[in-house]
Amino acid sequence: QKEVEQNSGPLSVPEGAIASLNCTYSDRGSQSFFWYRQYSGKSPELIMFIYSNGDKEDGRFTAQLNKASQYVSLLIRDSQPSDSATYLCAAYFGNEKLTFGTGTRLTIIP
Amino acid sequence: SQTIHQWPATLVQPVGSPLSLECTVEGTSNPNLYWYRQAAGRGLQLLFYSVGIGQISSEVPQNLSASRPQDRQFILSSKKLLLSDSGFYLCAWSVIWGQPQHFGDGTRLSIL
Repeated sequence: QKEVEQNSGPLSVPEGAIASLNCTYSDRGSQSFFWYRQYSGKSPELIMFIYSNGDKEDGRFTAQLNKASQYVSLLIRDSQPSDSATYLCAAYFGNEKLTFGTGTRLTIIP
Repeated sequence: SQTIHQWPATLVQPVGSPLSLECTVEGTSNPNLYWYRQAAGRGLQLLFYSVGIGQISSEVPQNLSASRPQDRQFILSSKKLLLSDSGFYLCAWSVIWGQPQHFGDGTRLSIL
């Protein structure tokens, strides 16, 4: 069974600090990784994707991929209350299907 | 730019009634299309996906079915709803395998 695993949280971070979200995956052959943000009652929204080892930055968000260790992380700098949401990690496992983790609930404390 | 439309936003149905949820994508051709279900407080469960007209792959045995009558139209159906069919139904599209999936606004289905 090919899986994506995340700590369900909740993860509480003070406003202005760095939030660090982690995800591990079971298939070493995975090539594409995604982070989605989902506000309560809303649909998931893509915020980052990464295909290569290393870091990818977009504004306050940085995705980090380590294929040897099979983990992908998301850093949110200067956390804001509006970042409070559930963050879903996802990966393709060699077919058309995207496998999602169960999500980490992040709360930014003002 | 590409957009995805999903309706209705909210639906309340009695047990045993039929269901039809529709999803359409604009601004792209031959997208991969997906139906997911998310139970309250749970992760996303892939129900069906389609890589082309008339091509449907089912992930979970259930009383739901899907159809793709046109290139950018994806329909989720049931002949008789069960209480366990309650949830948040999401349609998504991607350009091709390996690329990001983009979600519609979802349909919240409650079965009474």
